[in-house]
Amino acid sequence: SQQGEEDPQALSIQEGENATMNCSYKTSINNLQWYRQNSGRGLVHLILIRSNEREKHSGRLRVTLDTSKKSSSLLITASRAADTASYFCATDIGTSGSRLTFGEGTQLTVNP
Amino acid sequence: SQTIHQWPATLVQPVGSPLSLECTVEGTSNPNLYWYRQAAGRGLQLLFYSVGIGQISSEVPQNLSASRPQDRQFILSSKKLLLSDSGFYLCLGGDKGTQYFGPGTRLLVL
Repeated sequence: SQQGEEDPQALSIQEGENATMNCSYKTSINNLQWYRQNSGRGLVHLILIRSNEREKHSGRLRVTLDTSKKSSSLLITASRAADTASYFCATDIGTSGSRLTFGEGTQLTVNP
Repeated sequence: SQTIHQWPATLVQPVGSPLSLECTVEGTSNPNLYWYRQAAGRGLQLLFYSVGIGQISSEVPQNLSASRPQDRQFILSSKKLLLSDSGFYLCLGGDKGTQYFGPGTRLLVL
């Protein structure tokens, strides 16, 4: 099974609201990364949080990491219709270089 | 900055035909390189990764193979495609912690 599992599978909100997506994983990690994918396109790296970090911000994005619970959350504040996309978490568990394993993703729809 | 190139963007192939997808990297040396496959509406499945020339690790048994003939070139191949090989193939590459996806190749096997 996948190392990372996102929750919820789908999320629909109104523009201006905050969106929270969660990711759980099973084994120890070096870092955890969040990616975004617009329909039919490649993935875009959003943010990386290392295993010794607890919180990280980038613009309207806030990521938290709880290694004791093996979970992470991605918060998008003041959402916009352009934020509509699939969001994936990826865990880096490699020992000789990175080895990213992805979850199934959360489909976020932001309604104008 | 690093750039990942993939081609072709779209490919329609008959069952039983061979496959060769190419991924090249600009802007870095000795990158880690990865091939992922994404089925429609699903997450990414790691197929192969490489930490150097000629070094290939396979994640799942399958009909595909990978090669790394040059430092910044990663090739995904098959001798005979199956219907189940259809999907969106993505190459990931870069330095540890700073990696980028290519634009992907959409493969349809008929």
